[in-house]
Amino acid sequence: KQEVTQIPAALSVPEGENLVLNCSFTDSAIYNLQWFRQDPGKGLTSLLLIQSSQREQTSGRLNASLDKSSGRSTLYIAASQPGDSATYLCAVMRRPVAGGTSYGKLTFGQGTILTVHP
Amino acid sequence: DTGVSQDPRHKITKRGQNVTFRCDPISEHNRLYWYRQTLGQGPEFLTYFQNEAQLEKSRLLSDRFSAERPKGSFSTLEIQRTEQGDSAMYLCASSLVRLAGRTSSTDTQYFGPGTRLTVL
Repeated sequence: KQEVTQIPAALSVPEGENLVLNCSFTDSAIYNLQWFRQDPGKGLTSLLLIQSSQREQTSGRLNASLDKSSGRSTLYIAASQPGDSATYLCAVMRRPVAGGTSYGKLTFGQGTILTVHP
Repeated sequence: DTGVSQDPRHKITKRGQNVTFRCDPISEHNRLYWYRQTLGQGPEFLTYFQNEAQLEKSRLLSDRFSAERPKGSFSTLEIQRTEQGDSAMYLCASSLVRLAGRTSSTDTQYFGPGTRLTVL
């Protein structure tokens, strides 16, 4: 059974700092890994998706890396801003079974609550 | 396209009542997913559809839960005889599954705003 763990559970930093969020997963047979952002009481916003064959993806101030063999991903946020305050979730999608269509389920970590204070 | 929408956004009900939630996916997305999220936790997978076919159900989906996607477009999630433990945020997501020989698809799941259920 896939298990996803995120460290730290909470992080508070001053504005302008660069920071790293960590995600680890127990089963390396993944299809892709996604990072999401969730604001309080809201749905999830997709930030980055890394296919299992890729090592990293970048979008603006965000950079996500994937080391499938060690079961780890990191989300790097450069020059953090108060507007970045949210919960960040990582999720892995398992690899499709040969000849089957049953894939697509995401397994999520519990999230990292990020607070960026002015 | 306005993204994934869910209705209602909030539902308060008494224990034992039945509730039904609706999800409208992004148009032309062939995959639709339901997740449940409790406070302080990440979402947990419940079930998903490809077009109108329900392809997988989690063990979390007890007999009191049923989901449908009758025409391969919107989906409903019904909970019968609600219990206080059903209180959670119910999230819907959609995606365009990768099709053999085509490059225009993506596996990114796009989430709706969720339906917050409170069972008293």
